[in-house]
Amino acid sequence: ETGVTQTPRHLVMGMTNKKSLKCEQHLGHNAMYWYKQSAKKPLELMFVYNFKEQTENNSVPSRFSPECPNSSHLFLHLHTLQPEDSALYLCASTGGTGGRNYGYTFGSGTRLTVV
Amino acid sequence: GQNIDQPTEMTATEGAIVQINCTYQTSGFNGLFWYQQHAGEAPTFLSYNVLDGLEEKGRFSSFLSRSKGYSYLLLKELQMKDSASYLCAAFKQAGTALIFGKGTTLSVSS
Repeated sequence: ETGVTQTPRHLVMGMTNKKSLKCEQHLGHNAMYWYKQSAKKPLELMFVYNFKEQTENNSVPSRFSPECPNSSHLFLHLHTLQPEDSALYLCASTGGTGGRNYGYTFGSGTRLTVV
Repeated sequence: GQNIDQPTEMTATEGAIVQINCTYQTSGFNGLFWYQQHAGEAPTFLSYNVLDGLEEKGRFSSFLSRSKGYSYLLLKELQMKDSASYLCAAFKQAGTALIFGKGTTLSVSS
């Protein structure tokens, strides 16, 4: 365990379903991130939250909706997804504002398959 | 702009030394990271460089040249368990999120 927990580990959903991914950290970190990892592509930054406030939305389609109720929890709400949204979704957190402390702690990810 | 390039795949044999290169162009630089990711697992932190030079940590070392926008990860005395993807990452701009290269998949054979 890394200290960042993601659930579920695997998710299969239809294009008309609504589901949510959950990320939880009790490392005392103040920043949390969602990344998408597809085969043969770099990790793509989706959303950034600092002290519960969204500070970055990297042109993500509205069918992905993040929520950060407190500094320890981050959700990604999914609705009317497309098959190309199938990927590994990684949550990460960090407690620093620069330097070595800015290294991320990642969760193990949710493997999402859209059918 | 922001761009990070690294080779897609590399192969090596047990006991050998391998060097994984990374070149980057980012609008702000505040350090370069290397992560290791085994299949189906979370990326884990390997190294961080902000000043030019070599940082050694056991079998793994990381080098940075800021003037050249270049880094490498050096793995010595390779073991089968080193088979993984190695991700190079730098800041999109100072104070913001990390951006990642595509990762280099290293296969170590006996």
